[in-house]
Amino acid sequence: DTAVSQTPKYLVTQMGNDKSIKCEQNLGHDTMYWYKQDSKKFLKIMFSYNNKELIINETVPNRFSPKSPDKAHLNLHINSLELGDSAVYFCASSPRRVITDTQYFGPGTRLTVL
Amino acid sequence: DQQVKQNSPSLSVQEGRISILNCDYTNSMFDYFLWYKKYPAEGPTFLISISSIKDKNEDGRFTVFLNKSAKHLSLHIVPSQPGDSAVYFCAASGGQAGTALIFGKGTTLSVSS
Repeated sequence: DTAVSQTPKYLVTQMGNDKSIKCEQNLGHDTMYWYKQDSKKFLKIMFSYNNKELIINETVPNRFSPKSPDKAHLNLHINSLELGDSAVYFCASSPRRVITDTQYFGPGTRLTVL
Repeated sequence: DQQVKQNSPSLSVQEGRISILNCDYTNSMFDYFLWYKKYPAEGPTFLISISSIKDKNEDGRFTVFLNKSAKHLSLHIVPSQPGDSAVYFCAASGGQAGTALIFGKGTTLSVSS
């Protein structure tokens, strides 16, 4: 029973393509996040949703568009992929939008743009 | 501009000894500090946290110390075990960051038997 799952685990694609990464959590949490770990190993917040509402939107190119069809899912769509988008993308969830609530991470999706 | 810094990229310790991982932060508005552990090809997993109103939190072999005046926290693992070998990330939240975790770059801990 995976608490936070992501698909696919690996994604290799050409520059200019459009791709999506899916995230699902079965923990009943209200809040979900996307983080990006770049080649220098920095984990950085990209977006956060609380009950399907966007609450954090960091300085991310508008080629990246998160979508939350329901509070158990937060998908990440990326248009016109660029080489610099190559990274590991982690989804996370927490019970509530409170800093003391633990964030649970998915296993990551390694995106490689050729 | 790194708000959370882990200046030691790696640490090697013998089994049974103490491991001390350090972290510095620059933003005095952070309210909450966490340590996450990460194995290869897995997501980070929560280890221990501390609120800015405390200076110490202990959970089994793991203790986190917070020195607010120095903007410094450390994670102590006693005794260290080979299974502790992983990348340890320091993170902070609160203030303008809200619930977003602001991570350091990580320290790779290797515990040898």
